[in-house]
Amino acid sequence: DAGVIQSPRHEVTEMGQEVTLRCKPISGHNSLFWYRQTMMRGLELLIYFNNNVPIDDSGMPEDRFSAKMPNASFSTLKIQPSEPRDSAVYFCASSRGGVYNSPLHFGNGTRLTVT
Amino acid sequence: GENVEQHPSTLSVQEGDSAVIKCTYSDSASNYFPWYKQELGKRPQLIIDIRSNVGEKKDQRIAVTLNKTAKHFSLHITETQPEDSAVYFCAASETGFQKLVFGTGTRLLVSP
Repeated sequence: DAGVIQSPRHEVTEMGQEVTLRCKPISGHNSLFWYRQTMMRGLELLIYFNNNVPIDDSGMPEDRFSAKMPNASFSTLKIQPSEPRDSAVYFCASSRGGVYNSPLHFGNGTRLTVT
Repeated sequence: GENVEQHPSTLSVQEGDSAVIKCTYSDSASNYFPWYKQELGKRPQLIIDIRSNVGEKKDQRIAVTLNKTAKHFSLHITETQPEDSAVYFCAASETGFQKLVFGTGTRLLVSP
């Protein structure tokens, strides 16, 4: 089991540029979550999918953020245009049937720096 | 929605001492309370969890207690070791058990 795979591990970009973060959940997991981690706000849930369908995107900070899950093995989080305050570590996580039924498994995260 | 508060934000102990981290939650319907450990530069990993049908759960040196009436739960680490140094996050699941809301984290430092 390769675990949740995220790419890239690090991303440095200039303000105004488009950023795309990628995630491959654990095979067989049907719930996928995007979290953002900062020193000030801790771990914030941005959006989560169940069976590839977005269930709750209330944590997405602005229209600049969008997420997709075109199939069970791939999801993207896009920021367009990026701003310095978007700098954070973005984690993707997956579980089987929701967090009550199976633990949440995190990927190694993408550290985003927007200059 | 659910709101989870965690205290203290930092905790320093001597090796061998016990450490206690406390969390409160707001949604009385929450039923699942996991704890995650995050070492520096790494991903959060589940260390223990508890469901609302039990009041306490132990796994070697760590234990979690739950008081549903008061809506708080705690992590207890006994005989702390330097490798316990990390950030610990509590969390609670919102109604429907689909997603977790995390506390703000406690940075635990265990000095030899």
